[in-house]
Amino acid sequence: DIQMTQSPPSLSASLGDKVTITCQASQNINKYIAWYQQKPGKAPRLLIRYTSTLESGTPSRFSGSGSGRDYSFSISNVESEDIASYYCLQYDNLPLTFGSGTKLEIK
Amino acid sequence: EVQLVESGGGLVQPGRSLKLSCAASGFTFSNYGMAWVCQAPTKGLEWVASISTGGGNTYYRDSVKGRFTISRDNAKNTLYLQMDSLRSEDTATYYCARHPARNDYFDYWGQGVMVTVSS
Repeated sequence: DIQMTQSPPSLSASLGDKVTITCQASQNINKYIAWYQQKPGKAPRLLIRYTSTLESGTPSRFSGSGSGRDYSFSISNVESEDIASYYCLQYDNLPLTFGSGTKLEIK
Repeated sequence: EVQLVESGGGLVQPGRSLKLSCAASGFTFSNYGMAWVCQAPTKGLEWVASISTGGGNTYYRDSVKGRFTISRDNAKNTLYLQMDSLRSEDTATYYCARHPARNDYFDYWGQGVMVTVSS
């Protein structure tokens, strides 16, 4: 199984900050990583697929990058509506595996 | 508009069974692989199982193999998860999700249904 090590577990940011979350896979995942946002009590929402492709409706302040084993997800100009947990997902191989999540809070 | 609506959750004793359903609408159900993803209380997301468009291919995480069965009825636009020999560690919210392509990421999710396994 491919392990996805996501960090940090939590982030505290001020409005307007840029924040970055990383996911490291236990092996090369060929850019097959997606990023999800989950607000409390809600289902996850797909933000980015294939490392850096924004889904329709995803604000341009969200971005993704990476290759091989190492990937990152950033939010520039954090807004209050970005308060949520964020998860990476590798879909290069079964079993599909998620990172452990990052909870974003506003200072 | 794509909609996925789960049902069938509840409180069940350890060792008993439960069957979840997911009613799909707003897209051609038979053209998409489907999956179940779970989330234990205050925990992260875990893929549970996936099924191909026609139902002929199914895939499971190791911890549910032999206990859970994913299936679909394309005539009814419905996905199922038969959960047998339930354990306390199966307690979670179960989400129905759509694969845009075979064993791909998930592009749409249902609202989730809670399953609690407890005596």
